[in-house]
Amino acid sequence: DTAVSQTPKYLVTQMGNDKSIKCEQNLGHDTMYWYKQDSKKFLKIMFSYNNKELIINETVPNRFSPKSPDKAHLNLHINSLELGDSAVYFCASSQGTVGYTFGSGTRLTVV
Amino acid sequence: SQQGEEDPQALSIQEGENATMNCSYKTSINNLQWYRQNSGRGLVHLILIRSNEREKHSGRLRVTLDTSKKSSSLLITASRAADTASYFCATDFQGAQKLVFGQGTRLTINP
Repeated sequence: DTAVSQTPKYLVTQMGNDKSIKCEQNLGHDTMYWYKQDSKKFLKIMFSYNNKELIINETVPNRFSPKSPDKAHLNLHINSLELGDSAVYFCASSQGTVGYTFGSGTRLTVV
Repeated sequence: SQQGEEDPQALSIQEGENATMNCSYKTSINNLQWYRQNSGRGLVHLILIRSNEREKHSGRLRVTLDTSKKSSSLLITASRAADTASYFCATDFQGAQKLVFGQGTRLTINP
């Protein structure tokens, strides 16, 4: 039973398209995150939600819109995809900041 | 930047040898955590050390923290081929409500 599951695992799409990535956690954690990992392996936080409330928005372009329908789900919608959006996107959850549990990642390729 | 810096960026050793990775950071922390990322996978939490702790052990892992030097090290003893992965330190800065990750150390264990 996967603790943090995100779908899809791979996403190849053309520039200008709109796409969504879904994330669900069954750990009962209050906080969920989206991180972006670039080609050099840098992991940068994008958003965090605590119990459906946006806590962190790290100057991400407003083409990226997170949505948390409940504390177990955090989805990421991206409008007007650009080449520079190509990366691996990780969802994570935690109770406080002690020991994050990560999903397996979504590799987004914009062509 | 608050981001931790890891050293070395890459490390290649023979199976059975010990591997040491270092992490430095810039501002006061609540805790520091180490994660492992196997190729194409999500990050897995390994160990957490709090700011008032100096050393912690977990199996073949030993983590030290020197808050006066703002640095930490991860030692993996008796390395195995399965330890081949990237290792990231992550810092929970006071007041930040998020983990900030270093750029990682790519560890290769040669059989």
